[in-house]
Amino acid sequence: DGGITQSPKYLFRKEGQNVTLSCEQNLNHDAMYWYRQDPGQGLRLIYYSQIVNDFQKGDIAEGYSVSREKKESFPLTVTSAQKNPTAFYLCASNQESNSGANVLTFGAGSRLTVL
Amino acid sequence: RKEVEQDPGPFNVPEGATVAFNCTYSNSASQSFFWYRQDCRKEPKLLMSVYSSGNEDGRFTAQLNRASQYISLLIRDSKLSDSATYLCVVNSGTGGFKTIFGAGTRLFVKA
Repeated sequence: DGGITQSPKYLFRKEGQNVTLSCEQNLNHDAMYWYRQDPGQGLRLIYYSQIVNDFQKGDIAEGYSVSREKKESFPLTVTSAQKNPTAFYLCASNQESNSGANVLTFGAGSRLTVL
Repeated sequence: RKEVEQDPGPFNVPEGATVAFNCTYSNSASQSFFWYRQDCRKEPKLLMSVYSSGNEDGRFTAQLNRASQYISLLIRDSKLSDSATYLCVVNSGTGGFKTIFGAGTRLFVKA
């Protein structure tokens, strides 16, 4: 079945450590996204990539980095510069449409806790 | 003002009840509209798209009022399994990166 796989599902980090969250999709989608979800808030866009070897900052990119070396993969690194990294991280993808019907498909998420 | 606003709830309803959720959006140039469902500690999943003419999928009816910048979701004959958070989602142009998510409305359906 086609879909998006995120790993790890749960991750604990000590302050000052960098961690990398994996996101792999086999949907053949061009565009991939990383969102952060905090309690009581809507999803906020961290980074997105519309094509291989290119990515753009979203609304809250500070303290995060990404790469897009392969179409299927869009890993997110949470660096020590991110002041409040504890959150639920969601990876998504879609095939861009000029009609505007850009339906996003999500992975199951990674829950990061900083100790 | 938030770009997409929803009543956070929670809505507590008995099985069989009809419940309505509302959502307003601030960008009049928004082009596409959706309701997503998110179960506790899970990822959001598309429930239905929302069209100007209104659309129905079984017990679920979605409506869009572009003039008032208002979206609604009606659930009839609520089931226990409908308990979840419902996210109002608006896309303001071409490109998934222009997708804006509401904070969600929590629904609890009780036996």
